[in-house]
Amino acid sequence: DAGVIQSPRHEVTEMGQEVTLRCKPISGHNSLFWYRQTMMRGLELLIYFNNNVPIDDSGMPEDRFSAKMPNASFSTLKIQPSEPRDSAVYFCASSLNSEAYTFGSGTRLTVV
Amino acid sequence: TQLLEQSPQFLSIQEGENLTVYCNSSSVFSSLQWYRQEPGEGPVLLVTVVTGGEVKKLKRLTFQFGDARKDSSLHITAAQPGDTGLYLCAAGINDYKLSFGAGTTVTVRA
Repeated sequence: DAGVIQSPRHEVTEMGQEVTLRCKPISGHNSLFWYRQTMMRGLELLIYFNNNVPIDDSGMPEDRFSAKMPNASFSTLKIQPSEPRDSAVYFCASSLNSEAYTFGSGTRLTVV
Repeated sequence: TQLLEQSPQFLSIQEGENLTVYCNSSSVFSSLQWYRQEPGEGPVLLVTVVTGGEVKKLKRLTFQFGDARKDSSLHITAAQPGDTGLYLCAAGINDYKLSFGAGTTVTVRA
C-alpha cells in the first residue's frame, strides 16, 4: 500500500486566496482525520470523519475552513479566504476503527 | 495547557549514548502511543501501551507505561543518527480523538 497520500506537498498562496488540500487515505480504513501542526500549538485535530461522515469538527478554527469526504478514497480541506495565520503543516491521517493512525507526509502551507 | 507534558523539549547527544524522554499527565489513560516524526514527514507510530506497568521493546527502544497509567517513558540505548527526530506521545481522550504532547526533539550527533 502506498500509505496516506497528500497533495500538494507545498503550497504558497497570497492572503485572500482559496486553498484546497487533498488526501487519499489507505484503502479499507474507515476513519480519516485532518490535523494542523504549528510550533506554537503542536498537533491539533481539525476534523474527524467516520465512514465518510463528519463526526467531530470542533477543531475547525473558523468558518473559513471546510472539509469534505465525498467517498472513501478522497477528502479535501479548504480554506477560503486564507490568512497568514493559517500557515502551518496540515496532515491527513487514516485508521481502521480509530486504532493505529497512519499519517500522510503533510502539506506545508505558507500564506503571504 | 497541554494534557500531556513532554520533557525535555530538546535533547542533543553523541552517537552511542543512551537517552530517556518522558511523557506525563495528571489524567489516567486507557492507552498511550509513541510516534517519531522526521523532518518533512508525518508522525509514524512506534508503539501502543495499554497496561499499567507495561514494558515494550522495539530493538534499541524501550517503552514503559506507568503503573497508574498517567505517564510513560521512552529509553533509547546506544543512540544512532537515524534515531534523530521529534518524539511525540499521544493519548486517547475519547473513542477516536488523540491528544498529542508537544514532543521532544532528539538530535544524535555522529
